[in-house]
Amino acid sequence: DAGVIQSPRHEVTEMGQEVTLRCKPISGHDYLFWYRQTMMRGLELLIYFNNNVPIDDSGMPEDRFSAKMPNASFSTLKIQPSEPRDSAVYFCASSSGRGARSNEKLFFGSGTQLSVL
Amino acid sequence: QQQVKQSPQSLIVQKGGISIINCAYENTAFDYFPWYQQFPGKGPALLIAIRPDVSEKKEGRFTISFNKSAKQFSLHIMDSQPGDSATYFCAAIHGSSNTGKLIFGQGTTLQVKP
Repeated sequence: DAGVIQSPRHEVTEMGQEVTLRCKPISGHDYLFWYRQTMMRGLELLIYFNNNVPIDDSGMPEDRFSAKMPNASFSTLKIQPSEPRDSAVYFCASSSGRGARSNEKLFFGSGTQLSVL
Repeated sequence: QQQVKQSPQSLIVQKGGISIINCAYENTAFDYFPWYQQFPGKGPALLIAIRPDVSEKKEGRFTISFNKSAKQFSLHIMDSQPGDSATYFCAAIHGSSNTGKLIFGQGTTLQVKP
């Protein structure tokens, strides 16, 4: 299994531009999570999906952030318009939905390093 | 009440020494406590985890100690090696809840000197 795949690995953009981050979860995993990592705030959960349906988006910082999961093998996190304070590493993670406690063990991708100038 | 507090923020240990990282939580509904290890340029990966029905779990050189009454748990790395140099995150979750989500500590950057 290739694991969770994220693209791009690095993104440099200018303030005001739209940014789209992409994620392919592990095949068969029913949960997908988007996290943001910064030095100041550590790992923050932004949103997570179960069976392609958003379950909890309480961590999404502003309306500028949106996430979609059109099918079981693909998700996007979009920032429009981007701001310098959005600079961070964004991680996607997935977990198996089989049985209880399915969201305990997360498998993370390698992340997207976003720099907004 | 959802917070998990982790300390220290950074740690330097000599090769062969013991590394100890501590975490504290408030929510008594948490019932699963994992530790994740993150190397530079990589995502966190599950290292070891414990449930509150035991006070200790050991896997190789890594041990979790759990104190339910104090609502604290810690990671001990015995015989620390330079290859253990990484960032370590503790976490907690109310796993038996269908809507539980992992809450991470702030992370500890460990450097093991040769």
